[in-house]
Amino acid sequence: DTEVTQTPKHLVMGMTNKKSLKCEQHMGHRAMYWYKQKAKKPPELMFVYSYEKLSINESVPSRFSPECPNSSLLNLHLHALQPEDSALYLCASSQEVHTFSNQPQHFGDGTRLSIL
Amino acid sequence: DAKTTQPNSMESNEEEPVHLPCNHSTISGTDYIHWYRQLPSQGPEYVIHGLTSNVNNRMASLAIAEDRKSSTLILHRATLRDAAVYYCILTRNTGKLIFGQGTTLQVKP
Repeated sequence: DTEVTQTPKHLVMGMTNKKSLKCEQHMGHRAMYWYKQKAKKPPELMFVYSYEKLSINESVPSRFSPECPNSSLLNLHLHALQPEDSALYLCASSQEVHTFSNQPQHFGDGTRLSIL
Repeated sequence: DAKTTQPNSMESNEEEPVHLPCNHSTISGTDYIHWYRQLPSQGPEYVIHGLTSNVNNRMASLAIAEDRKSSTLILHRATLRDAAVYYCILTRNTGKLIFGQGTTLQVKP
């Protein structure tokens, strides 16, 4: 069982829909991350939040909008996605970003997103 | 960010030890070496990490070369549940975890 919970597990949406992915952790971690993983490829970092503030955006298109309403929650708002955005979206957390190199990240099992 | 090189795939027999190599010749003095694995249909799972000395935990051992330009993840007795993609990653205080292609480990009964 993972300590990072992602909902929903699966999501199918049209290109004109608006939906949100949710991630929750109760480990007291202050750094949270979104990754995108295409089939048979490694995960790619999208966003990093540190103390509820966005610290890294890896040049992600604006149709992906992250939000961190509190230290336990991380959302990814989706709007006007393209078929090539179909992928597994993974959330992770770690204790703190400034000691990142010595801290493991804890991953959820992801949301599998399909864009019609 | 410094890069790592791993074999694309490896095979092992069940209950035998497995040594997964990783080359990281451009490692800098403050880079930690992390290993994660990803089982089918799951998110990546932290396995072990180290800086200079060899490390052991309940999952595996990490052997780090004296010059730190390579490391080896050791699974002491492979089980079928250890079949996964294993990623060797160098980390810095940037908040970034950069995954390479990893090694796909197959475990034969």
